[in-house]
Amino acid sequence: AQSVTQPDIHITVSEGASLELRCNYSYGATPYLFWYVQSPGQGLQLLLKYFSGDTLVQGIKGFEAEFKRSQSSFNLRKPSVHWSDAAEYFCAVFTFSGGYNKLIFGAGTRLAVHP
Amino acid sequence: GAVVSQHPSRVICKSGTSVKIECRSLDFQATTMFWYRQFPKQSLMLMATSNEGSKATYEQGVEKDKFLINHASLTLSTLTVTSAHPEDSSFYICSARDLEDVAYEQYFGPGTRLTVT
Repeated sequence: AQSVTQPDIHITVSEGASLELRCNYSYGATPYLFWYVQSPGQGLQLLLKYFSGDTLVQGIKGFEAEFKRSQSSFNLRKPSVHWSDAAEYFCAVFTFSGGYNKLIFGAGTRLAVHP
Repeated sequence: GAVVSQHPSRVICKSGTSVKIECRSLDFQATTMFWYRQFPKQSLMLMATSNEGSKATYEQGVEKDKFLINHASLTLSTLTVTSAHPEDSSFYICSARDLEDVAYEQYFGPGTRLTVT
């Protein structure tokens, strides 16, 4: 079955430090992958997505992610974290199943940023 | 960019009453809308997929008679929580797919916080 695993429930980094959030997926075909960010009490905002082509994807707010098929991973990175990046981050895979299309989300990683 | 709104953003109701939540795509047409439920500090759980003009498809374990979904137009879907109980208290988020978007992207609403007392 399709699934998304985010191994890190909670990560704390210092402002200005680099960041990597891990995401592993399980999907039989070529995956459509997404990273979303959610601020407290808010909906989800798309950071970036991967469908095909260049495996290094650039997103908004200085984020990027790299698709590695051999590792079934789609890790999110940022070279220098800002205090405003503190939020919940969700990795998701788009699935096609029985005529229905839907997103399957990971459990999320909560990012805290120390000044 | 595509915008999805939800109304109300926050609602408190008494146990046994029904509550309706609206989800609107403001600047695009959405043949498909999705309803999610999110418990505190947890991920989004897909409740149902709503297609315009047809019955919604509910995920396993979601009571269709309790969570009524109507997708009457290409810009509006509603979720009605019937005979609400405190355990229905949660954050409900909708999303929509653009009819003309082949990129399979979903645009998310800001969410509705439901509290049942």
